[in-house]
Amino acid sequence: SQTIHQWPATLVQPVGSPLSLECTVEGTSNPNLYWYRQAAGRGLQLLFYSVGIGQISSEVPQNLSASRPQDRQFILSSKKLLLSDSGFYLCAWSQQPTDYNSPLHFGNGTRLTVT
Amino acid sequence: ELKVEQNPLFLSMQEGKNYTIYCNYSTTSDRLYWYRQDPGKSLESLFVLLSNGAVKQEGRLMASLDTKARLSTLHITAAVHDLSATYFCAVHLGSGGSNYKLTFGKGTLLTVNP
Repeated sequence: SQTIHQWPATLVQPVGSPLSLECTVEGTSNPNLYWYRQAAGRGLQLLFYSVGIGQISSEVPQNLSASRPQDRQFILSSKKLLLSDSGFYLCAWSQQPTDYNSPLHFGNGTRLTVT
Repeated sequence: ELKVEQNPLFLSMQEGKNYTIYCNYSTTSDRLYWYRQDPGKSLESLFVLLSNGAVKQEGRLMASLDTKARLSTLHITAAVHDLSATYFCAVHLGSGGSNYKLTFGKGTLLTVNP
């Protein structure tokens, strides 16, 4: 069965510091990978998605970047965090080829607080 | 731009009562998903709805999809405290495609009181 790992679970960082959040998927090959962010009291916003190694699509211009150095690894980064970067970050995966009956699968999330 | 509106955003129910959460979306879509989120936790998939008239049920929850009206409903029957959570609908823009670029509603915070 497939599993998705995301770490760290919580993170408190000062403004201006760098960020690196990591996500790995096990039990599947060549998944589509996604980073979503959930601000307090709001729905989820798609930040980035990737259909393969080195292939990143950005959905929202912002202070963040994403990379996919390996097939099942997805990294979210920032060089200098802003207060507005605080939120709950969720990594997700979907299988390829696409099975529309299968939902998007989410990791446990990272709660980031920028102080 | 795809817009997804859920209502109500807050719902306080008594145990044993029935209620419906509505999810309206603004443009053509070929699939819609319902998720549940417990406080501080990740999202758990509840239902996948792919076609007009689709109806799925799991326990006390039933979801339906009307693609012509661009409307999905999540019906709660005889609510119990364990159903307290935030419920999200998520809609895929357009049709086809191999990715899950989903637009989420703001969520409905459901509280079931004894």
